[in-house]
Amino acid sequence: DGGITQSPKYLFRKEGQNVTLSCEQNLNHDAMYWYRQDPGQGLRLIYYSQIVNDFQKGDIAEGYSVSREKKESFPLTVTSAQKNPTAFYLCASTRIDSGAQPQHFGDGTRLSIL
Amino acid sequence: RKEVEQDPGPFNVPEGATVAFNCTYSNSASQSFFWYRQDCRKEPKLLMSVYSSGNEDGRFTAQLNRASQYISLLIRDSKLSDSATYLCVVNSRTAGNKLTFGGGTRVLVKP
Repeated sequence: DGGITQSPKYLFRKEGQNVTLSCEQNLNHDAMYWYRQDPGQGLRLIYYSQIVNDFQKGDIAEGYSVSREKKESFPLTVTSAQKNPTAFYLCASTRIDSGAQPQHFGDGTRLSIL
Repeated sequence: RKEVEQDPGPFNVPEGATVAFNCTYSNSASQSFFWYRQDCRKEPKLLMSVYSSGNEDGRFTAQLNRASQYISLLIRDSKLSDSATYLCVVNSRTAGNKLTFGGGTRVLVKP
């Protein structure tokens, strides 16, 4: 079955540590996205990528980094510069056609500080 | 003003009743509109796209009012399983198919 796989489901970060969240899709989608969701809040865009080896900052990119070396993969690194990393992180992907297409989401990674 | 605004609720709905709620958007260049459903501690899932002429999917009806810049979602014959947060999502003419999410409207259907 095609879909988006995020791992791990739960992740704990120590002070000063970088952690990487995995996102893989086998939907052959061109565009991939990372969002952050805080309790009771909407989704905020961290980074997105429309094509391999290219990505753009979203609204809250500070303290995060990404790479897009393969079409299927878009890992997110939460760096030690992100002082408040505790949140629910969601990866999404979509086709790029004329007009906007809905995004399909992975089941998320919950990140907490130890 | 937020780009996409929703009443956070909760809307407490008796089982079998009808509930409707709106979402307003600020960018008049917005092109595409969606409703997503999000269950507690889960990922959002696409409920339905919203078309200019309005559209229906079973018990769910979505409407778009471009003049007043809002979309609506109506749920008929509410089921207990309809309890969730409903996210309004808007696309504007920006690169990368970026979507802007509202904060969500929480609906609680009670027996």
